[in-house]
Amino acid sequence: GAGVSQSPSNKVTEKGKDVELRCDPISGHTALYWYRQSLGQGLEFLIYFQGNSAPDKSGLPSDRFSAERTGGSVSTLTIQRTQQEDSAVYLCASSLAMVTDTQYFGPGTRLTVL
Amino acid sequence: EDKVVQSPLSLVVHEGDTVTLNCSYEVTNFRSLLWYKQEKKAPTFLFMLTSSGIEKKSGRLSSILDKKELFSILNITATQTGDSAVYLCAPGGSQGNLIFGKGTKLSVKP
Repeated sequence: GAGVSQSPSNKVTEKGKDVELRCDPISGHTALYWYRQSLGQGLEFLIYFQGNSAPDKSGLPSDRFSAERTGGSVSTLTIQRTQQEDSAVYLCASSLAMVTDTQYFGPGTRLTVL
Repeated sequence: EDKVVQSPLSLVVHEGDTVTLNCSYEVTNFRSLLWYKQEKKAPTFLFMLTSSGIEKKSGRLSSILDKKELFSILNITATQTGDSAVYLCAPGGSQGNLIFGKGTKLSVKP
């Protein structure tokens, strides 16, 4: 596609449920990033994938968060046993490679945990 | 620890005014600094700066980087109501991820 796409655009779930958020990067982009933005806060880095290398998970806030990237393209961010503090907008970005390349953002998924 | 500080946090101006947004940073193995505009959800790319002292321009927007003093500025001249947004500064470090500041919320009144 022309840009980064994410689904769903909005997700409301109950505390304790698992959720999966999907990201389709720009075709040909080898680097993919997940960020989250809580209300009134800046963007917080979660995880990034570069090609077939092991992902950098240093930003994941707890072991309830995991992500995978299949075939070097689509990525899924999974949050298990959701908590109210997980409520945020989850943004995915992709870039041609990494480091000095511009990151292009998807529209985000707004997650609300009741 | 990597750190990005943007100032001011918010700014209210009238159409036609010129504004300067500031970003200071401390990032391990700094590679580049990006500016984004965020109106609703997704930040949209404005500039990438990698070299000191070279101004980048796009219409009424311009930006410059000082790698010695570790800061960047974003200028907007002849502001319009459509410039109202949160402007995010994001230096990139050795890991490839961007470290975002909290942003400057710009409101342009007619």
